[in-house]
Amino acid sequence: DQQVKQNSPSLSVQEGRISILNCDYTNSMFDYFLWYKKYPAEGPTFLISISSIKDKNEDGRFTVFLNKSAKHLSLHIVPSQPGDSAVYFCAASAGSGTYKYIFGTGTRLKVLA
Amino acid sequence: EPEVTQTPSHQVTQMGQEVILRCVPISNHLYFYWYRQILGQKVEFLVSFYNNEISEKSEIFDDQFSVERPDGSNFTLKIRSTKLEDSAMYFCASSPRDTSRAKNIQYFGAGTRLSVL
Repeated sequence: DQQVKQNSPSLSVQEGRISILNCDYTNSMFDYFLWYKKYPAEGPTFLISISSIKDKNEDGRFTVFLNKSAKHLSLHIVPSQPGDSAVYFCAASAGSGTYKYIFGTGTRLKVLA
Repeated sequence: EPEVTQTPSHQVTQMGQEVILRCVPISNHLYFYWYRQILGQKVEFLVSFYNNEISEKSEIFDDQFSVERPDGSNFTLKIRSTKLEDSAMYFCASSPRDTSRAKNIQYFGAGTRLSVL
């Protein structure tokens, strides 16, 4: 039951260019979305989040866009840096009464110097 | 910066043995979680814990699993009789339980790799 999908297992981008990571979801009850990044041998690290009442949230080089009608969100990293190379997970939460996160399978981003 | 710490980093056990995975959540957090990631698969929710009781659990969290907060700092996951398919990375997480979703972000530990032989 893949409620959260990240269809691109990997992505390579040149340093300084934009990285766009995509995530689709199927559960219309999801109302809060997050991006985590994960380096090898470390746990997932929170990056940025967005509530379903918004369509965009920005934090420095990172921007998350939410398209509720398409059940799609994306993470933009501009400009991309070699230190951004990691696995990025999209996660979703379904509102009051539950605090669990449903994760996607991850996208491995490689930023080439 | 406060962080969630997990021990051990790698646990090797024989099938049928009991294991206890340990976590020290961030000190002022009130909600605690366990997730697992089987190699090559996604991170999956196991259980959440608040006010000394389970608040939610997944279908993965069957009778072989239990959680406990034995003192004011530790949070443990016990697997009573391990199976080969329990081999995975187990992540502990904690959150402050703020009413604002934006302030109730879950922070993860580095994980314990469990290898069942």
